[in-house]
Amino acid sequence: EPEVTQTPSHQVTQMGQEVILRCVPISNHLYFYWYRQILGQKVEFLVSFYNNEISEKSEIFDDQFSVERPDGSNFTLKIRSTKLEDSAMYFCASGFRGGLSTDTQYFGPGTRLTVL
Amino acid sequence: LAKTTQPISMDSYEGQEVNITCSHNNIATNDYITWYQQFPSQGPRFIIQGYKTKVTNEVASLFIPADRKSSTLSLPRVSLSDTAVYYCLVGTPSGSARQLTFGSGTQLTVLP
Repeated sequence: EPEVTQTPSHQVTQMGQEVILRCVPISNHLYFYWYRQILGQKVEFLVSFYNNEISEKSEIFDDQFSVERPDGSNFTLKIRSTKLEDSAMYFCASGFRGGLSTDTQYFGPGTRLTVL
Repeated sequence: LAKTTQPISMDSYEGQEVNITCSHNNIATNDYITWYQQFPSQGPRFIIQGYKTKVTNEVASLFIPADRKSSTLSLPRVSLSDTAVYYCLVGTPSGSARQLTFGSGTQLTVLP
């Protein structure tokens, strides 16, 4: 079964540093997403990406965040200047269709980001 | 976006059938009901989706009454490995990505 992969599995960084979280979505998927989950809290939507542009973003996804699909396989989330409160598990997801469909939202294993 | 309400937690024993009910009183005509499962430190995983009546797949069944204001996820003969958080979501295939708003979910603990 195809999978969404994410690297690294754990990233430790100093406050103020830039981090790039990487994801390889399932190859024939068209919709890509980033979510985060602060320890013990809910999974929160950050951004959706379709046709090489952001289609939706949440209030969390401010100017410190950016996403990119630099080639045909990778999908990245960049945090320009990390803050302590950015410490969370970040999940990438992909889907063949958007929204909440039967072939929706295959999630990767996550990257745990720790900001010191 | 339709709001969903689920029990915070449930306990069960191995081999039992578990039913988790979700309330979604303001579900819209075009909304589907979708359930996800999340293990600790992993991403949510799609379990089942339905629109009305009953849907069954290899891991679960989903029962939806005629008024569609609630739904019940049924897990037959649970095992210890079914211990996870289960989320109920409501939305449409062509709708906003924000529909994937995960609430607090139901923490299912399967005991030996």
